[in-house]
Amino acid sequence: ETGVTQTPRHLVMGMTNKKSLKCEQHLGHNAMYWYKQSAKKPLELMFVYSLEERVENNSVPSRFSPECPNSSHLFLHLHTLQPEDSALYLCASSQDLEFTEAFFGQGTRLTVV
Amino acid sequence: TQLLEQSPQFLSIQEGENLTVYCNSSSVFSSLQWYRQEPGEGPVLLVTVVTGGEVKKLKRLTFQFGDARKDSSLHITAAQPGDTGLYLCAGAPSGSARQLTFGSGTQLTVLP
Repeated sequence: ETGVTQTPRHLVMGMTNKKSLKCEQHLGHNAMYWYKQSAKKPLELMFVYSLEERVENNSVPSRFSPECPNSSHLFLHLHTLQPEDSALYLCASSQDLEFTEAFFGQGTRLTVV
Repeated sequence: TQLLEQSPQFLSIQEGENLTVYCNSSSVFSSLQWYRQEPGEGPVLLVTVVTGGEVKKLKRLTFQFGDARKDSSLHITAAQPGDTGLYLCAGAPSGSARQLTFGSGTQLTVLP
């Protein structure tokens, strides 16, 4: 139990579908993150939230839409994705932005067909 | 963008052998973390080093932060199959997690 839970663990979706990834942290952390992990590439930071406000958006296509309704929950809404978006999507949290130690969820393995 | 280069990319060894993996950059980091990731799971934090020259030990794992805080190494003694996984280093130039940069990882396989 890492304290960060992601659902679903696996997702297969068509390019015209709309789906959402969910992340929940039970650590009392104030910062949450979405990362994308593709084969043979370093983890790519997608979005950063601090106290429910987005503080970073690293040039992510608009087909990815994050939502942070409270400090414990983070969503990633997906629509009209492309096959190259297939990857492992990881959620992480840290105590706040000034702490570098990140705690990761188990990830959602996304396949776009 | 501060790049972290890890070497080797892949390493396959027999149980009981020792190994060292490296994490190098031309940038200075205020802290550096090492994570281990197993297939189908997220990365799990192993250690954080913050002081140049610092050495930390975690059972059979020894982590060292370079004097100039630009590089780090992970040494495993008497490797076991349970050590198999992807080892990732990550650094934050200014100490903020919003700038955490990850290396591409070293895939370690320890054969029984």
